[in-house]
Amino acid sequence: QLQLQESGPGLVKPSETLSLTCDVFGGSISITSYFWGWIRQPPGKGLEWIGNIYYSGITHYDPSLKSRVNIAIDTSKNNFSLRLTAVTAADTAVYYCVRVRSGSYFEHWGQGTLVTVSS
Amino acid sequence: EIVLTQSPATLSVSPGDRATLFCRASQSISSNLAWYQQRPGQAPRLLIYGASTRATGIPARFSGSGFGTDFTLTISSLQSEDFVVYYCQQYNQWPPYTFGQGTKLEIK
Repeated sequence: QLQLQESGPGLVKPSETLSLTCDVFGGSISITSYFWGWIRQPPGKGLEWIGNIYYSGITHYDPSLKSRVNIAIDTSKNNFSLRLTAVTAADTAVYYCVRVRSGSYFEHWGQGTLVTVSS
Repeated sequence: EIVLTQSPATLSVSPGDRATLFCRASQSISSNLAWYQQRPGQAPRLLIYGASTRATGIPARFSGSGFGTDFTLTISSLQSEDFVVYYCQQYNQWPPYTFGQGTKLEIK
């Protein structure tokens, strides 16, 4: 049974960098049919795609966040990570890591982690 | 960027009845559409992909249809646990993947 588990600070100061890790259990992150990604949901609002990464390191990002986002993968640790720089209150959200089927739909989700941007 | 518009924003239906939710794309997305269910405090769960294929473990009362720009999610014989929020998502043209704004299904 595949499980994804997000971890990282729940509180980040404005202008600083948000960093999260997603550990993958019950399956290899190096499997060729899947991408791995991040989606966020501001409180009371809808879903926003942030970006994807393939096991080879190829990345795709939302154009509106591209200048501030970096997603990396560590196949030796079977996890991947998100860095979002220069955060503001607008970046406050529940952040989900996901497995993306063949670059299409989001097949498996982590339980999500709330990150609040506040001084 | 492809914009998805879900309607209605809120749908009131009685338990045991049928609910029909709509998702319209700003341009043709073939059948590259997925539906998700989100319960309060939980992550979304994949219901439907390819516009009409149920994901593993999804009950048969959930069905999807549509092609091009207009799609529907139908839930027959509504159960109490079905009264939550539903999102559609397109993967025909990305980046970016885009989601609809959601439909909240509430008890009438």
